Amino acid sequence: DAGVTQSPTHLIKTRGQQVTLRCSPISGHKSVSWYQQVLGQGPQFIFQYYEKEERGRGNFPDRFSARQFPNYSSELNVNALLLGDSALYLCASSLVPGLYNEQFFGPGTRLTVL
Amino acid sequence: DQQVKQNSPSLSVQEGRISILNCDYTNSMFDYFLWYKKYPAEGPTFLISISSIKDKNEDGRFTVFLNKSAKHLSLHIVPSQPGDSAVYFCAASLNAGNNRKLIWGLGTSLGVNP
Repeated sequence: DAGVTQSPTHLIKTRGQQVTLRCSPISGHKSVSWYQQVLGQGPQFIFQYYEKEERGRGNFPDRFSARQFPNYSSELNVNALLLGDSALYLCASSLVPGLYNEQFFGPGTRLTVL
Repeated sequence: DQQVKQNSPSLSVQEGRISILNCDYTNSMFDYFLWYKKYPAEGPTFLISISSIKDKNEDGRFTVFLNKSAKHLSLHIVPSQPGDSAVYFCAASLNAGNNRKLIWGLGTSLGVNP
């Protein structure tokens, strides 16, 4: 069975641009969470979606948005990119929200903003 | 304000010896703690967890100890193996309204020398 997949693997953008990151959860998982991991730090929670509805939002500006589709895949959008948005963006899926011991992560998308 | 602290950025041990990774937290509302392991170019993977009502949980070579009065937990790996070389994240969870939040530490890079 495929694990959590994310695309693209790497991405280079310039300041002010917009980016869309994609995530496909493990089959049967209905909850998707997004995390930002800046180099040298732990993951920071951005969004959680369950059954296509937002269930949680971290302390990120409105430039960050996300959605979940009927097939439970998800997109993370970041507008007006800043240098500080350079990070590894991780997607994680679980059957339901809050099952952190049964939360599986994708390999991440490495975003570089120049 | 870092609610979950891993004060040792790195740790080096010899194969076969014990590895002890430490984690401190400040919020007494945390009721569930987890350790994740992360290899380069991969997402974190769940390793072991402990509920705040327990003081020890063991899974094979991995044992987590919780000292609630000291707001401290530790992960013991015995015996350490070269394949254990990775970044280890301590994370803590608490109820936040109708959702559960997960707060991560900065990670400790463990190197196990053959």
